Amino acid sequence: SQTIHQWPATLVQPVGSPLSLECTVEGTSNPNLYWYRQAAGRGLQLLFYSVGIGQISSEVPQNLSASRPQDRQFILSSKKLLLSDSGFYLCAWSVGSQNDQPQHFGDGTRLSIL
Amino acid sequence: EDKVVQSPLSLVVHEGDTVTLNCSYEVTNFRSLLWYKQEKKAPTFLFMLTSSGIEKKSGRLSSILDKKELFSILNITATQTGDSAVYLCAPRASARQLTFGSGTQLTVLP
Repeated sequence: SQTIHQWPATLVQPVGSPLSLECTVEGTSNPNLYWYRQAAGRGLQLLFYSVGIGQISSEVPQNLSASRPQDRQFILSSKKLLLSDSGFYLCAWSVGSQNDQPQHFGDGTRLSIL
Repeated sequence: EDKVVQSPLSLVVHEGDTVTLNCSYEVTNFRSLLWYKQEKKAPTFLFMLTSSGIEKKSGRLSSILDKKELFSILNITATQTGDSAVYLCAPRASARQLTFGSGTQLTVLP
């Protein structure tokens, strides 16, 4: 069966520091991969999605970037964090070969910027 | 701009009660609507609805979609404390993109 791993679970970083959050999926090939941010009391906002290695689509302009160096690895990065980057970051995957499939989420990273 | 409104924002009930959660949406090129349950961390997938009037059921949970009136409801019967969570609805406007509502916070008291 498929599993998705995200780490770290929590992270506290100072303003201006870099960021790297990692997500890996097991048990499937060529998945679609997604990064979401969830602000307190709000819905999930899609930040990036990827349909294959090196293919990244950005949904909102922001201070963050994403990369997909391997088929089942998705990384969210920033060179210099802002206070507004605080939030709960979720990675998700869906079956790549078929459209309109459910997305399945990792446990998330709670990021606090000081 | 796509819009999703969930109501109520929060709900407190006692074990054994039945609850109905609402989701109304305005989404261009609607394809389907998904429901998720979010406890402390990862949202977990509950249902995907594509056709009006066909109820999806899983145990005590059921859901139905009305594509003409642009809404969906999620029913939970005989609620248990383990049902306490945020319930998110997410209509799909493209093959890969979901638009999430802010959720309904359900608290079930023993």
